[in-house]
Amino acid sequence: DAKTTQPNSMESNEEEPVHLPCNHSTISGTDYIHWYRQLPSQGPEYVIHGLTSNVNNRMASLAIAEDRKSSTLILHRATLRDAAVYYCMGGNTPLVFGKGTRLSVIA
Amino acid sequence: SQTIHQWPATLVQPVGSPLSLECTVEGTSNPNLYWYRQAAGRGLQLLFYSVGIGQISSEVPQNLSASRPQDRQFILSSKKLLLSDSGFYLCAWGGGTGELFFGEGSRLTVL
Repeated sequence: DAKTTQPNSMESNEEEPVHLPCNHSTISGTDYIHWYRQLPSQGPEYVIHGLTSNVNNRMASLAIAEDRKSSTLILHRATLRDAAVYYCMGGNTPLVFGKGTRLSVIA
Repeated sequence: SQTIHQWPATLVQPVGSPLSLECTVEGTSNPNLYWYRQAAGRGLQLLFYSVGIGQISSEVPQNLSASRPQDRQFILSSKKLLLSDSGFYLCAWGGGTGELFFGEGSRLTVL
């Protein structure tokens, strides 16, 4: 699995867009980029994943750099319910979680 | 649709006692199954994963063991719990493209 680097914490205002960065410079060509989030006292929740092209779903968008060494999870309008730890992983199963980014959303 | 259940949700056990956590998946066949643990204030640690009945891979030497007696059943056990076994245990099953779906979690406190 690729080693990933994420900021420890980020803060956003409610209803503002949030860009969560992730560096995965050792990613291999067949490794998917996965994003999960974990709300307090709950298990992680799948957010989005992609290989090369940018991806969109109802929760978020994933922008993948052309060289695939970094990616950005985009929450288009942060809500208080988006406050969580966001994990970025590069690889295939079994997925290994890092420490993630703790996102705080301010009302 | 697929669902995953694990139990018990909460348990308090004395040091040296045995442990059994159970996880079952419904609505899919031959899933990849996983046990993770999250100690207080820490990240998720992969403990075991299984790609089929009777096939268990251990990621970290532990005071724990896992078994998969049926296709959609995954059990985490210990013969003698340690204080360091306290944590939030999560079972997950894997989708076709690497997505993981987690159960509700089992919070274990060892006293």
